[in-house]
Amino acid sequence: AQSVTQLDSQVPVFEEAPVELRCNYSSSVSVYLFWYVQYPNQGLQLLLKYLSGSTLVESINGFEAEFNKSQTSFHLRKPSVHISDTAEYFCAVTPDSGGYNKLIFGAGTRLAVHP
Amino acid sequence: KAGVTQTPRYLIKTRGQQVTLSCSPISGHRSVSWYQQTPGQGLQFLFEYFSETQRNKGNFPGRFSGRQFSNSRSEMNVSTLELGDSALYLCASSDAGLGAGELFFGEGSRLTVL
Repeated sequence: AQSVTQLDSQVPVFEEAPVELRCNYSSSVSVYLFWYVQYPNQGLQLLLKYLSGSTLVESINGFEAEFNKSQTSFHLRKPSVHISDTAEYFCAVTPDSGGYNKLIFGAGTRLAVHP
Repeated sequence: KAGVTQTPRYLIKTRGQQVTLSCSPISGHRSVSWYQQTPGQGLQFLFEYFSETQRNKGNFPGRFSGRQFSNSRSEMNVSTLELGDSALYLCASSDAGLGAGELFFGEGSRLTVL
C-alpha cells in the first residue's frame, strides 16, 4: 500500500518570494509521482509528474519538483510566486505497475500568496 | 475538445435517499475514475472504469457503486445516503490505459446530505 504525507497544511508567502511545498511518500513498490493543483471551485489540474528518468521535472508555469528516492520525497518548488499561484496543491502517487489510474493523494497544502 | 463534464453540479438530498451522479469524459478517453473529496478525509479514490469494466476499487462500502457505458460515460450511485456522504465528488478521465498518464478532472458534483 502507498501513503502520502504533505508536511504543511498551509503555506503563506509574499509575492515574488520562493516557496517549497513538501511531500513525502511511503511505498513498498516503485511509484509514479504527481503534483496536482486545485483553484477555488474547480477540479484538479496536473502540474507535473515523475515517471522515470531525470529526477528533476518542471512545469510550464515555473514550478519544479525533484524526486529523491532515498528520502522518499517529491518536494515542489518555485523560485518566485505570483498572486495567481494561490491554490491548493496535492501530491499523489500510484504504483508503477497495476496502479492504473488509482491515485493516492496527500491531504493538500494551501498556498496563500500575499501582495 | 470539451473537458470532463459532471452533472449535476450541486444537489441536496436527505438521509436515506439515493443519488446518481453523471460524468462525461473527454472524447476518446476510455478510463473514468471517481474520487470523493471532504475536508476531513481529503481526496479518496472510489473506483475506476476502463472500457465498461471496473478494474480498481477503493475502500468504500457497497452503497457506493458505479458503471460505465459503451460511450465511456460513467455514473456513480450512492444508496441510503448518510450525513457523512456530503462531499465533492470528482470524476476524472484519462486516455492512458495503464495509468501514469494525466487525469483530467471535472469540476465536481457537490452533494449535501441533510
